[in-house]
Amino acid sequence: QKEVEQNSGPLSVPEGAIASLNCTYSDRGSQSFFWYRQYSGKSPELIMSIYSNGDKEDGRFTAQLNKASQYVSLLIRDSQPSDSATYLCAVRVRAAGNKLTFGGGTRVLVKP
Amino acid sequence: KAGVTQTPRYLIKTRGQQVTLSCSPISGHRSVSWYQQTPGQGLQFLFEYFSETQRNKGNFPGRFSGRQFSNSRSEMNVSTLELGDSALYLCASSPRGPGLPPGATDTQYFGPGTRLTVL
Repeated sequence: QKEVEQNSGPLSVPEGAIASLNCTYSDRGSQSFFWYRQYSGKSPELIMSIYSNGDKEDGRFTAQLNKASQYVSLLIRDSQPSDSATYLCAVRVRAAGNKLTFGGGTRVLVKP
Repeated sequence: KAGVTQTPRYLIKTRGQQVTLSCSPISGHRSVSWYQQTPGQGLQFLFEYFSETQRNKGNFPGRFSGRQFSNSRSEMNVSTLELGDSALYLCASSPRGPGLPPGATDTQYFGPGTRLTVL
């Protein structure tokens, strides 16, 4: 079992719709959770971090964390063509310093 | 604040050569982590440096090494290059340090990366 798993996609959504991305992780010692966006040929760009169970909203993005079920999700509301990218879920385990373990990423395509 | 900078941005080397990549973290950030990104393996952790000391290491062979200087700048070195070392090498900086709120210390910001091609 991979430590951090994501559906590779592509997740195709119409412009203006909600894109829903999921990520599951295996280590119950996971402490910090991050979503990064990566455009083709570019480096990952932090979208948001989440540390506690529940929802965290930042603009059109909402992250949801459920530690009991070991998943974290990202919702993108009012999806725009510029949101077309690969979204990476990353997890930090308390005992592993600053090491981030990444999922394989979900490719999102927003169609006008 | 200026972001994370990495040099060079692109490199072409041949098998058996060695290469040194450089990373300057965001001003005030003391932790630098290195990652390798390939289409097949995704993003994988190489190592982390904090206060000039390696704090954590991923599952890479000893050909991959690094160091950090007193100004927090970091370099990574790959010796005896192999074709499979072709990848995007990413550096990430983090504020990590005592006295900061737990959530603030572990956010990592990535540089633009160095694209290494081994022929």
